[in-house]
Amino acid sequence: DVKVTQSSRYLVKRTGEKVFLECVQDMDHENMFWYRQDPGLGLRLIYFSYDVKMKEKGDIPEGYSVSREKKERFSLILESASTNQTSMYLCASSFPSGEETQYFGPGTRLLVL
Amino acid sequence: AQRVTQPEKLLSVFKGAPVELKCNYSYSGSPELFWYVQYSRQRLQLLLRHISRESIKGFTADLNKGETSFHLKKPFAQEEDSAMYYCAPLREYGNKLVFGAGTILRVKS
Repeated sequence: DVKVTQSSRYLVKRTGEKVFLECVQDMDHENMFWYRQDPGLGLRLIYFSYDVKMKEKGDIPEGYSVSREKKERFSLILESASTNQTSMYLCASSFPSGEETQYFGPGTRLLVL
Repeated sequence: AQRVTQPEKLLSVFKGAPVELKCNYSYSGSPELFWYVQYSRQRLQLLLRHISRESIKGFTADLNKGETSFHLKKPFAQEEDSAMYYCAPLREYGNKLVFGAGTILRVKS
């Protein structure tokens, strides 16, 4: 079974704090993704990585950065958290063909006060 | 811009009734299309993909290129089908998905 794990299920942070969300997958997938999930907006892609140290901006990268130092780990960083970044964050991974299934983590619900 | 439209935020049906979750996409060509599902307190997971032409949990989805639609159908809804459903075509360039806004399916007994 593919396992995608995320470091926290729930996180409460204050405005201006630096926030790290960690994602680890155990299937040797090349592709990893960070999405945010908001009611009425569906899933929106924040960043995508297709290999170690490689990254691509998604649809809403502003206010976020990412790090992929190892193949199995993909980190999302909120440099200075703001209240409009309160959301559910989902990590996913897949093989590179594009037709492959994306496997999702359980999500991190982030509340920024 | 590539767009995916799921016009219904909420679809409520009775157990045993037919279900159709609508999905329309805006771009040309023959995209690969997927339906993902999220049951309560579970992670998002693949339900089915167009290329496989399979039926999963009684659901099927047909690609209609003329109408650019990929509606998800099931002839007889079950209570355990209650979930959030996302239509997700593959982007025209690159191996990334575009997700619709999602439709909540509620099956009443």
